[in-house]
Amino acid sequence: EAGVTQSPTHLIKTRGQQATLRCSPISGHTSVYWYQQALGLGLQFLLWYDEGEERNRGNFPPRFSGRQFPNYSSELNVNALELEDSALYLCASTSGVYQETQYFGPGTRLLVL
Amino acid sequence: AQSVTQLGSHVSVSEGALVLLRCNYSSSVPPYLFWYVQYPNQGLQLLLKYTSAATLVKGINGFEAEFKKSETSFHLTKPSAHMSDAAEYFCAVTGTGRRALTFGSGTRLQVQP
Repeated sequence: EAGVTQSPTHLIKTRGQQATLRCSPISGHTSVYWYQQALGLGLQFLLWYDEGEERNRGNFPPRFSGRQFPNYSSELNVNALELEDSALYLCASTSGVYQETQYFGPGTRLLVL
Repeated sequence: AQSVTQLGSHVSVSEGALVLLRCNYSSSVPPYLFWYVQYPNQGLQLLLKYTSAATLVKGINGFEAEFKKSETSFHLTKPSAHMSDAAEYFCAVTGTGRRALTFGSGTRLQVQP
């Protein structure tokens, strides 16, 4: 069974640009979570999508947004990139409302110059 | 609110020695607790999880953890360290209705030959 996949693996942008990160959940999983792992800040929850709807978001500005498609894959968009957005962005998926175990993808490493 | 504290950002053990990584949690609801491992330049891999079924939880690669409600702890142990165990380990908590994971700051395990 294929795991969570993310693309691209690496992304280099300049300050002010927009970045789009993609995630495909495990087959049958309907919930997708996004986390940011920035140096010195640890793993922080960004966004949660379930059945195509944004269910919750962490303490991040509105320039972090995303969506979930009918096939349950997801996009994370970061607008007006800042240097401190440089981080590893991890996507995780779960199945069902009461399934707490999150399975993670390999991440996208974003570097903002 | 939920939080996790991992004592010791770096732990060094000799190959064959006991591994003990500490995790204390705070949760206003019955917690679900997880240990994840992250190898360099990779995503998070689930080691084990506690979801109230049993207080002693066995995971992959010989790891186990014991949930102690009285001590609000969920420490990770392995009887005999292997060189391949060198990685960063994260403890995480969530609860029913709290969908996102709250992570500890991580413990980097070094295994000396």
